[in-house]
Amino acid sequence: EPEVTQTPSHQVTQMGQEVILRCVPISNHLYFYWYRQILGQKVEFLVSFYNNEISEKSEIFDDQFSVERPDGSNFTLKIRSTKLEDSAMYFCASSPTGSTEAFFGQGTRLTVV
Amino acid sequence: AQTVTQSQPEMSVQEAETVTLSCTYDTSENNYYLFWYKQPPSRQMILVIRQEAYKQQNATENRFSVNFQKAAKSFSLKISDSQLGDTAMYFCAFMNPFGNEKLTFGTGTRLTIIP
Repeated sequence: EPEVTQTPSHQVTQMGQEVILRCVPISNHLYFYWYRQILGQKVEFLVSFYNNEISEKSEIFDDQFSVERPDGSNFTLKIRSTKLEDSAMYFCASSPTGSTEAFFGQGTRLTVV
Repeated sequence: AQTVTQSQPEMSVQEAETVTLSCTYDTSENNYYLFWYKQPPSRQMILVIRQEAYKQQNATENRFSVNFQKAAKSFSLKISDSQLGDTAMYFCAFMNPFGNEKLTFGTGTRLTIIP
């Protein structure tokens, strides 16, 4: 069964460093998302991406964040200068056009020290 | 903006019993989708069940069923014959299909199945 894959599963980085979280969505999906879950809290929408551009972003998704689909298969989330409060679980999700079911990856746990 | 409320932070139930998790939401939309996602200790988000607002019939998926009350904006999840593997966080989520299909989640209910 096709699935969304995320790498790495766990990333530790120093405050101020740049990180790139990687995702491979399901191959025939056209909508891509990043969500964030701070430990013990609810899952929050960050950004949606369709047709090679951001279709919507939340207020969390400020200038420190960017997304890219560099090669038609990967979907990346970059955090330019990490802060302690960026420590969270980051989930990538994808869905096919016309469907409402989002398929989630297993998440990347980001720890900023 | 839509909001989703889960008023039960934690619940526990004996194995094989039935448990109902509550969810309410607020929206001005008429057409939308509602979901229950399960997050086991592995942390992956797994879709349990979904409901289209235009369908009056409550969705069912094996031991999982919902009680969808559109006028009351209520969407509860019933788990029958609960199993140890049902132990997880359960998130209720709302989606406006005309809003880029993003999900708005509730704060979750931690469900523990007791052997």
